[in-house]
Formats: sequence, C-alpha cells, structure tokens
Amino acid sequence: EIVLTQSPATLSLSPGERATLSCRASQSFGNYLAWYQQKPGQAPRLLIFDASNRATGIPARFSGSGSGTDFTLTISSLEPEDFAVYYCQQRSYWPPMYTFGQGTKLEIK
Amino acid sequence: EVQLVESGGGLVKPGGSLRLSCAASGFTFSSYNMNWVRQAPGKGLEWVSFISSSSNYIYYADSVQGRFTISRDNAKNSLILQMNSLRAEDTAVYYCARDPTQRFGAVYHGMDVWGQGTTVTVSS
Repeated sequence: EIVLTQSPATLSLSPGERATLSCRASQSFGNYLAWYQQKPGQAPRLLIFDASNRATGIPARFSGSGSGTDFTLTISSLEPEDFAVYYCQQRSYWPPMYTFGQGTKLEIK
Repeated sequence: EVQLVESGGGLVKPGGSLRLSCAASGFTFSSYNMNWVRQAPGKGLEWVSFISSSSNYIYYADSVQGRFTISRDNAKNSLILQMNSLRAEDTAVYYCARDPTQRFGAVYHGMDVWGQGTTVTVSS
C-alpha cells in the first residue's frame, strides 16, 4: 500500500504570497495523482488531475508538478478564498485503489 | 447541471445496518465509474469503495471489506452503499464521487464530481 505524506501539516501565509504544498509517496506510481481543496462544511473540489492538469474552472494560479514520488501543488498568489485544507490523492493503475494524504491546512497569517 | 445527491445517513447502533444512496443527474451515469469516500469528524478523507460503470469491477478498502457492499442501478441513475455490522469508527460523512478515468487509461482524471455528503453516526 502506498502512503502519501503531505507537508507541512499547516502553512501560514498572507494573501498575495506564494504557497508551495508537498506530497511525497512511499513508492513510485507514475502520475496517477490528484489534488483537492476542501473548505469547512463542503465537499472536496478537484483542483489538479494527472499530477499537473488543472480541472475545469480552476484558476491559473493553481499549478501541479512532479512525478514518481514527489509532487507539489503551487498557488502563485494567494487569494482570500484559497485558505482551506488541501489533499493529495493517489490511485493505483489497476485495480483502482485510492489513497489520500493527511492534508495540509493553509491558514491566513 | 451535473449533480450527485447522497441520502440515507443517520444514527445507528453498533452492529446495525444502514443503506446509503447517491442520485446522479446531468450526465450519463452509466458511463462513469463511481466511488464512496468518507471523512470522520475532524479527520482526513478515506476511500471506501469503487464500482466500475457496468458493475463488472468492485473493490473495497480493507477497513470495510466484508461489511459494506457497493452497487448501482444504471437505469435509475443510482449508486448504493449497503453498510452492515457498523462500528463506531464508521462514523463519518459519506460522499459519492465520480471518476472518469478509463480502465488502463493513460491519464488519471481524479474524482471530478462529488456529492454534498450524508452523515452516518454509529453510537449506542
């Protein structure tokens, strides 16, 4: 079973700053990785699929990169609505089994 | 509008059963793989179960294997999670979520549509 470790657990930044969130896998699995944003009381929202592709309607300030075991979500310039919890997720090729990271809370400094 | 709406959550005693439903609309439900994902209070996301578009392939997380059963009715655009032998640790918000990724596809499309969730509480 692949374990995803997100860092940092909490990231305190101000609007306008750049956010870099990390997701490290216990073993390599290709690019079957997604990033989600979740706000309190809401369902998760897909931001990035296949490691580096923005989902429909996601602003260009969100970008994903990485491959193998190290992946990064970057928010180039934080907007007030970006403060939330972010999860990375891996899916095995087949059979489809999914693993989520423990999340990074992005909070206003 | 593409939409998933869960229902069926509630309070149940340990050892009891509950049946969750997820109603799909706004897309061709029969063309998509579906999942259940849960989130315990104050915790992260945990994948529960997967079912392929035609129900040919079904998989479960180890934590629910043998107790939960996923199924779907494509004629009714409906996804079901039958939960038996419930435990306190099954207490969570349960989400249904769509995965458009094709079997052996070159691209992982993520879980691109989620419902709003239904709350299951297992307590005596």
